[in-house]
Amino acid sequence: SQQGEEDPQALSIQEGENATMNCSYKTSINNLQWYRQNSGRGLVHLILIRSNEREKHSGRLRVTLDTSKKSSSLLITASRAADTASYFCATDWGDMRFGAGTRLTVKP
Amino acid sequence: DTAVSQTPKYLVTQMGNDKSIKCEQNLGHDTMYWYKQDSKKFLKIMFSYNNKELIINETVPNRFSPKSPDKAHLNLHINSLELGDSAVYFCASSLQGGEEKLFFGSGTQLSVL
Repeated sequence: SQQGEEDPQALSIQEGENATMNCSYKTSINNLQWYRQNSGRGLVHLILIRSNEREKHSGRLRVTLDTSKKSSSLLITASRAADTASYFCATDWGDMRFGAGTRLTVKP
Repeated sequence: DTAVSQTPKYLVTQMGNDKSIKCEQNLGHDTMYWYKQDSKKFLKIMFSYNNKELIINETVPNRFSPKSPDKAHLNLHINSLELGDSAVYFCASSLQGGEEKLFFGSGTQLSVL
């Protein structure tokens, strides 16, 4: 069954602004991962955060994890038009389980 | 070289037909998966194979039959296609399964008419 659920479903911002997406999950996890999907393409792994970590950075990406609230957030700073994509979180319950994603549109 | 490749990219067929989608990975991974992405973009796992053995078989109609001739290949055969099978099917692989990161193919868009 579905594990990660992203929020909001859609987000539209101007280039240069920050974008924040949230993910909630239901059971305990070992790790949580974020993926990006460009239109018509497969998912690409962005970042993995383990259950004993609270924050992780990769370039313009910042991921936080709050295991007490069973939630994670993905922050993209100084967004670019090329960041336009859908973003998915996935957890390791059994095997990787995904939600329906947040569709991010960055307007130039 | 494409890490996870699946063919065909597009598949248009009539209801009741049988079709196959092929997937190959050249990453040396032990685990391969099939995911289905519906029109609302919800991505759902269908099958997971580890070293040619079925690990996960979600609630999928038995018209769907995965076949893994070796650990680098995982094909998906679908019998008696139905309208509701229309979706994008993704193949993926990971080093050992479980909590490993996934590498995805570019998807096969199946349209059943």
